[in-house]
Amino acid sequence: GAVVSQHPSRVICKSGTSVKIECRSLDFQATTMFWYRQFPKQSLMLMATSNEGSKATYEQGVEKDKFLINHASLTLSTLTVTSAHPEDSSFYICSATEFGGRSSYEQYFGPGTRLTVT
Amino acid sequence: EDKVVQSPLSLVVHEGDTVTLNCSYEVTNFRSLLWYKQEKKAPTFLFMLTSSGIEKKSGRLSSILDKKELSSILNITATQTGDSAIYLCAVGYGGATNKLIFGTGTLLAVQP
Repeated sequence: GAVVSQHPSRVICKSGTSVKIECRSLDFQATTMFWYRQFPKQSLMLMATSNEGSKATYEQGVEKDKFLINHASLTLSTLTVTSAHPEDSSFYICSATEFGGRSSYEQYFGPGTRLTVT
Repeated sequence: EDKVVQSPLSLVVHEGDTVTLNCSYEVTNFRSLLWYKQEKKAPTFLFMLTSSGIEKKSGRLSSILDKKELSSILNITATQTGDSAIYLCAVGYGGATNKLIFGTGTLLAVQP
């Protein structure tokens, strides 16, 4: 149980274009979904927190107009990287906490999306 | 500023060795400490610790939290090559949403 999927797993795009990444909880309803970014040999950095039906909360230093988050349902959140630039190239990972789960701190992670901007 | 620090940053051992990974934290409104294993893709959950001094075990892995010392250790006994991964420590902290702050990770390489 508690499986989270992400799509696509890998994407290459040209500078200036936008890319959408989907995060789905497959067998549970997610109270909250989180978006992280991980640069090579570094740890996960939280970008934003999203709750279904409300606006995402962004961490300090993360541009909300550049990283658009939509949390349309209890099983789906999307991250859109707008006007992507090479410095946005990174590994983007989403996670979700289960509604009514044993702990609201136990996050289930998706497999990640490798974004390369050329 | 809240932070989670792990040591060592990397470690190379031989199969059969026992390793101890360390995690220390300075986090306001501490709620829980979690350990994850990250291989090529996303982290997989290992343990969540909330109470000091109570060891959690899963096979060859075990972990314990020391709230007085603001730290935790993750032990792996009889290591195998399949244990090679990055081990991440994360601290859950209170507030309106249950966020995690991650440490830098320890890269463990187990050689045959």
